[in-house]
Amino acid sequence: NAGVTQTPKFRVLKTGQSMTLLCAQDMNHEYMYWYRQDPGMGLRLIHYSVGEGTTAKGEVPDGYNVSRLKKQNFLLGLESAAPSQTSVYFCASSWDRASGGNYEQYFGPGTRLTVT
Amino acid sequence: RKEVEQDPGPFNVPEGATVAFNCTYSNSASQSFFWYRQDCRKEPKLLMSVYSSGNEDGRFTAQLNRASQYISLLIRDSKLSDSATYLCVVNIRPGYSSASKIIFGSGTRLSIRP
Repeated sequence: NAGVTQTPKFRVLKTGQSMTLLCAQDMNHEYMYWYRQDPGMGLRLIHYSVGEGTTAKGEVPDGYNVSRLKKQNFLLGLESAAPSQTSVYFCASSWDRASGGNYEQYFGPGTRLTVT
Repeated sequence: RKEVEQDPGPFNVPEGATVAFNCTYSNSASQSFFWYRQDCRKEPKLLMSVYSSGNEDGRFTAQLNRASQYISLLIRDSKLSDSATYLCVVNIRPGYSSASKIIFGSGTRLSIRP
């Protein structure tokens, strides 16, 4: 049981380049989330998904797109990277419908992205 | 006003001390409450859920006060390894048919000194 995994762990992009971050979870969770965390700041929600095939905007969605084609995967895309998107990106998942639970979130190890 | 507010700290206390954090929330539709711990450059990890009756896990005690809309975390006999940022998390469900929304506080930094 790997929990939540993220790839890649580190990436350096040039302004205008695109990339996709992959999040995978093996806990049969319904909900998945993408956050960014900047130095000395709290987590800010970018996009989230409440089930396969569904996505919704969070607090800071501009410049990002997401897709949830499979229940276990949640992809975050940057179409044209900007220096303001330099951050640490965390993916999280929660809630197994079968076992219920309290909506606590489980996080991946993060992706450190630098845009030059 | 932020939906979830925490004192950012830092709290700098000696090893063995007792330290308490509070967190206030503004949305009365809040249903579930958690404390997470985040070490430097690491992902947040669930420390404990918070229940109305209060709950204890070893040296850690969490309390919920729905009337005053705050939760607290008490750490007794603090260890050097307790140094981290502690995040207050609230799960809000505005209505039965609405998806729940999880709000993270900005975190309280704790530093334990020898």
